[in-house]
Amino acid sequence: SQTIHQWPATLVQPVGSPLSLECTVEGTSNPNLYWYRQAAGRGLQLLFYSVGIGQISSEVPQNLSASRPQDRQFILSSKKLLLSDSGFYLCAWSVGGLARGADTQYFGPGTRLTVL
Amino acid sequence: AQKVTQAQTEISVVEKEDVTLDCVYETRDTTYYLFWYKQPPSGELVFLIRRNSFDEQNEISGRYSWNFQKSTSSFNFTITASQVVDSAVYFCALSEAGRALTFGSGTRLQVQP
Repeated sequence: SQTIHQWPATLVQPVGSPLSLECTVEGTSNPNLYWYRQAAGRGLQLLFYSVGIGQISSEVPQNLSASRPQDRQFILSSKKLLLSDSGFYLCAWSVGGLARGADTQYFGPGTRLTVL
Repeated sequence: AQKVTQAQTEISVVEKEDVTLDCVYETRDTTYYLFWYKQPPSGELVFLIRRNSFDEQNEISGRYSWNFQKSTSSFNFTITASQVVDSAVYFCALSEAGRALTFGSGTRLQVQP
């Protein structure tokens, strides 16, 4: 069966510091991978998605970036965090090869980021 | 453009009551997919169900049931005999072919013992 891992689970960082959140998927090959952000008490906002190694699409302009160095690894980064980057970050995967929109996304446990 | 509306921000029921969570969607496509996810206090989104636009058959899974009606663009979710463990935020979501998943704002369900 497939499992998705995220770490760290919680993170408190000062404004201006760098960020690296990691997501890995087990039990599947060539998955589609997604990063979402959920601000407190609000819905989910898609940040990035990837259909393969080195292929990243950004949905919203921001000071965050994503990379996919390996097939089942997805990293969310920032060089300098802003207060507005605080939130709950969720990684998700879906079966690769399906047309976008037709896939079911499965979510990881999330990382709660607080920027002070 | 695709849009999902969950008008109920918060619902509170007493255990064993039935509860229906409403979801209304907007899309111009004839091919689209609808989803429900559960977000318990731990934060992880748990996939509950996926329906495509060509399958209006209602579905029942244990205490959960879903009513998909294209005529009213609704995909409502009913929990029968609610339990405290059902307390969570529930999200309805929509995706059109070739587009990203759009989530509603969520409905917080509190089941009191």
